[in-house]
Amino acid sequence: GAGVSQSPRYKVAKRGQDVALRCDPISGHVSLFWYQQALGQGPEFLTYFQNEAQLDKSGLPSDRFFAERPEGSVSTLKIQRTQQEDSAVYLCASSFIQGPYSGANVLTFGAGSRLTVL
Amino acid sequence: AQKITQTQPGMFVQEKEAVTLDCTYDTSDQSYGLFWYKQPSSGEMIFLIYQGSYDEQNATEGRYSLNFQKARKSANLVISASQLGDSAMYFCAMRWFGGSQGNLIFGKGTKLSVKP
Repeated sequence: GAGVSQSPRYKVAKRGQDVALRCDPISGHVSLFWYQQALGQGPEFLTYFQNEAQLDKSGLPSDRFFAERPEGSVSTLKIQRTQQEDSAVYLCASSFIQGPYSGANVLTFGAGSRLTVL
Repeated sequence: AQKITQTQPGMFVQEKEAVTLDCTYDTSDQSYGLFWYKQPSSGEMIFLIYQGSYDEQNATEGRYSLNFQKARKSANLVISASQLGDSAMYFCAMRWFGGSQGNLIFGKGTKLSVKP
């Protein structure tokens, strides 16, 4: 697609429910990132994929958070037993370039999925 | 640890005037990149401009320029000739090349409001 697509745009969940957030990156983009953005804050890194390999999950706040990208394209972020503190916008970003010395590796972001946990 | 600081929670600017958004960073690394993103109310983060730590010239992209002062560890964004459509949140971000591949660290952002 022309941009990074995320769905659903808005999700309301009752505390304790499981949710799944989908990210469809730009076709051909190798790298995929998930970020969490709390209200009034900057995005915070959750996890990173290079193709189907999850190379860094150091930002996942607890073992209730799980991400996958089985075929190296679409990714799903799953949150189990949601808590009120999980309420945030979840941003997905992708880029074509891989590798640590990639200079201006510009991330293209989606519009985010806003999760509200009641 | 790497850190980005944006000290201006909100800024106002008159349409057609220039505005500077402040950003300072903290890193002991020599190789890093600095980015500015714009986030309108629709939520999407839009890339504006990039500066590499070894770039000697300040980056420019149309009405955007980055005032890079390496010794002071500052990377301020200058928007010339502000337009009403520039009203948005602006985030400064940094990637250090020794860290997670491509991971960006963001500041808390500055909300810019352009007055007609």
